Amino acid sequence: GIQVEQSPPDLILQEGANSTLRCNFSDSVNNLQWFHQNPWGQLINLFYIPSGTKQNGRLSATTVATERYSLLYISSSQTTDSGVYFCAVEKGGSEKLVFGKGTKLTVNP
Amino acid sequence: KAGVTQTPRYLIKTRGQQVTLSCSPISGHRSVSWYQQTPGQGLQFLFEYFSETQRNKGNFPGRFSGRQFSNSRSEMNVSTLELGDSALYLCASKGVGGNTIYFGEGSWLTVV
Repeated sequence: GIQVEQSPPDLILQEGANSTLRCNFSDSVNNLQWFHQNPWGQLINLFYIPSGTKQNGRLSATTVATERYSLLYISSSQTTDSGVYFCAVEKGGSEKLVFGKGTKLTVNP
Repeated sequence: KAGVTQTPRYLIKTRGQQVTLSCSPISGHRSVSWYQQTPGQGLQFLFEYFSETQRNKGNFPGRFSGRQFSNSRSEMNVSTLELGDSALYLCASKGVGGNTIYFGEGSWLTVV
């Protein structure tokens, strides 16, 4: 099956710093989403981005489908950005998301 | 509009018992999927339902089952609970023709 690798596994930043999270996937996909898991366990949808670039406030994402990777950029990080960021992909019409292992982000004040 | 609602949020069960978890999707959404999250295995797909039909199933034993009702609400059941079934169970819904999948807050299951 399709493989999803995220890097780095852990990231510690000072408030105000910028960061880039990476997601590599092993096959063509028709769906790619980035999620932020809050401390209570809920997965919050950040972007649906199977290709191209999107921005939402301090967050932006880029997916280069031909090279099978996606990047999530966080600018001017805040302590509330802490948590685990997941990349998930879906191939074909499987209706099944395959998740990476996540990047645990800690933003210190 | 209301998001995906899961109940119960927390529960503790004993080995050998069974458990039923409930999920109400976003209004108008007909696709409901379930995922299990554990520290060791991460997030894994359990199954997906659309209009009361299971369209896809993950690699889990037959003790894990689910169903969807005509109002799109879904339940999943785990029978003969094992310690390894302790996990966060997440439900998600997607609208017809939609691309974005929305998750509920999850049900934390502890098996003792």
